[in-house]
Amino acid sequence: QKEVEQDPGPLSVPEGAIVSLNCTYSNSAFQYFMWYRQYSRKGPELLMYTYSSGNKEDGRFTAQVDKSSKYISLFIRDSQPSDSATYLCATQTGANNLFFGTGTRLTVIP
Amino acid sequence: NAGVTQTPKFRILKIGQSMTLQCAQDMNHNYMYWYRQDPGMGLKLIYYSVGAGITDKGEVPNGYNVSRSTTEDFPLRLELAAPSQTSVYFCASRRDRGYEQYFGPGTRLTVT
Repeated sequence: QKEVEQDPGPLSVPEGAIVSLNCTYSNSAFQYFMWYRQYSRKGPELLMYTYSSGNKEDGRFTAQVDKSSKYISLFIRDSQPSDSATYLCATQTGANNLFFGTGTRLTVIP
Repeated sequence: NAGVTQTPKFRILKIGQSMTLQCAQDMNHNYMYWYRQDPGMGLKLIYYSVGAGITDKGEVPNGYNVSRSTTEDFPLRLELAAPSQTSVYFCASRRDRGYEQYFGPGTRLTVT
């Protein structure tokens, strides 16, 4: 069983739509949850970071963790064409074991 | 700050050839990582280092070697290239206290 499972998409939405991206994870010991954004032919960059359960909001982005169901979500409100990228969820226990999902490719159509 | 830099950007190797992928960071980070990214497979950790002189294997280390003689540099060595090593390779670093990894722009390697 993979540590992190993520629907690869692709996902296409019209500009202004609300986007929901989701992952599940297998190990209840995971405590740190991240979303990385990766533009085409670039390295990933950290978008959101949460510790344990709950919500975290940053502008148009909301990260949500439900540890009871081992479910991680990223919501993007008022999506923009500049949000078109691949979104990777990641979880971590110790300092070095960062497990990535396969990524979901998002296209926001103007 | 240049952040994390990687060279070369692209490389084509023949089976059995060797090469070194270079990675450098100017943020004085002790932690450095090498990942490979295959289509539809996500990022897999190859090797990591917690400081100069200290390295350890990640999830997929076979066919690779690393060294860390300075804080700034963390080269990845492929000794006998195989087609299975065709991938995009990313180097990353992070500071001691914190979880954000800063990624380089990647090296696209094709082995034929």
